[in-house]
Amino acid sequence: NAGVTQTPKFRVLKTGQSMTLLCAQDMNHEYMYWYRQDPGMGLRLIHYSVGEGTTAKGEVPDGYNVSRLKKQNFLLGLESAAPSQTSVYFCASSYSGTGGPQPQHFGDGTRLSIL
Amino acid sequence: DAKTTQPNSMESNEEEPVHLPCNHSTISGTDYIHWYRQLPSQGPEYVIHGLTSNVNNRMASLAIAEDRKSSTLILHRATLRDAAVYYCILRDVGQFYFGTGTSLTVIP
Repeated sequence: NAGVTQTPKFRVLKTGQSMTLLCAQDMNHEYMYWYRQDPGMGLRLIHYSVGEGTTAKGEVPDGYNVSRLKKQNFLLGLESAAPSQTSVYFCASSYSGTGGPQPQHFGDGTRLSIL
Repeated sequence: DAKTTQPNSMESNEEEPVHLPCNHSTISGTDYIHWYRQLPSQGPEYVIHGLTSNVNNRMASLAIAEDRKSSTLILHRATLRDAAVYYCILRDVGQFYFGTGTSLTVIP
């Protein structure tokens, strides 16, 4: 049981390049999330999904796109990378459940540098 | 979403209890109180959550004030592995807002 797996773990891009970050979960969770964390800051939500084929904007969605074609995968895309997108990106998943918001399970992060 | 206020940093001696405070004076009746922690170079890890009553699990206890305007995460016996940033978060059906949390240092 791997939990939440993020690919790649590290990446360096040049300004203007594009790339896709992959998040995979094997817990059959309905909800998935993408966050970014800048140095000395807390996490900020970029986009999230409440089910296969559905996505929604979070707190800081500009410059990113997402897709949830399969329940277990959530992709985060940068179409034209900018230095301001240098950050650590975390993916998380959770059940939809009753009794309030369910705990989120996080991956180990992708460290992305844009030159 | 309601916001929380936490001290930037705290220290504790190893094997002693730690009380991490959180103020949330604008909490609504349906906001759950969640605590996560983040060890260095790792993703956040769920610790505990509650609505009105105090909660206990294998990691920690959560004490919620009667008026729900504050809460305290209690680590009963701090270990070096508990050194992390602890986030207190309010959430109903909306998004998590992590804030900057409390950085806990455990002194051997």
